[in-house]
Amino acid sequence: GAGVSQSPSNKVTEKGKDVELRCDPISGHTALYWYRQSLGQGLEFLIYFQGNSAPDKSGLPSDRFSAERTGGSVSTLTIQRTQQEDSAVYLCASSLGGTGRSPLHFGNGTRLTVT
Amino acid sequence: AQTVTQSQPEMSVQEAETVTLSCTYDTSESDYYLFWYKQPPSRQMILVIRQEAYKQQNATENRFSVNFQKAAKSFSLKISDSQLGDAAMYFCAYRSANLKLIFGQGTELSVKP
Repeated sequence: GAGVSQSPSNKVTEKGKDVELRCDPISGHTALYWYRQSLGQGLEFLIYFQGNSAPDKSGLPSDRFSAERTGGSVSTLTIQRTQQEDSAVYLCASSLGGTGRSPLHFGNGTRLTVT
Repeated sequence: AQTVTQSQPEMSVQEAETVTLSCTYDTSESDYYLFWYKQPPSRQMILVIRQEAYKQQNATENRFSVNFQKAAKSFSLKISDSQLGDAAMYFCAYRSANLKLIFGQGTELSVKP
């Protein structure tokens, strides 16, 4: 079956513009995560959705960042008024919800470059 | 809040030798899960091995095994008979009861032929 799909794979934008990054999780996975990975760095947690529960937004770095998940499936991460420090790879992952044992399945990420 | 620490930014191993990557974590929870992920240059995150905190037996997956010391909050990864394809960034991760997953900063492993 299909894995986690992210689009676009690469995005170049000008400082101050808004961008939308899309994540299509594995069918049936109720948990969805967004992470940010700066060059040579670890994965920084951004936000986590689990079923119909309120998302855990504790990792969002500023109010310029927001995410939504429509119909419990596709998710969109939006960055408003992009800054150069937003340049990074944004990774999405999904897993079967309800148990911590289920591993996360990752997409290939979106590389965002803010010029 | 939980934290995960990988104190070795870089490690190197000779092909066919054994290497151990360190990971420590901080938590007040008793029920949680630990993972090691591998990220090759392709950027794809690949699950290497997982450990349930309630299990005393250390997990093993072929050439990969862990040394889980719950009291010490330590979760190291041992790679035996290292292969060139093992070269990658390795991330230790902690998953709490609310299913949030936190990663360490990673260890870059190089394998010398």
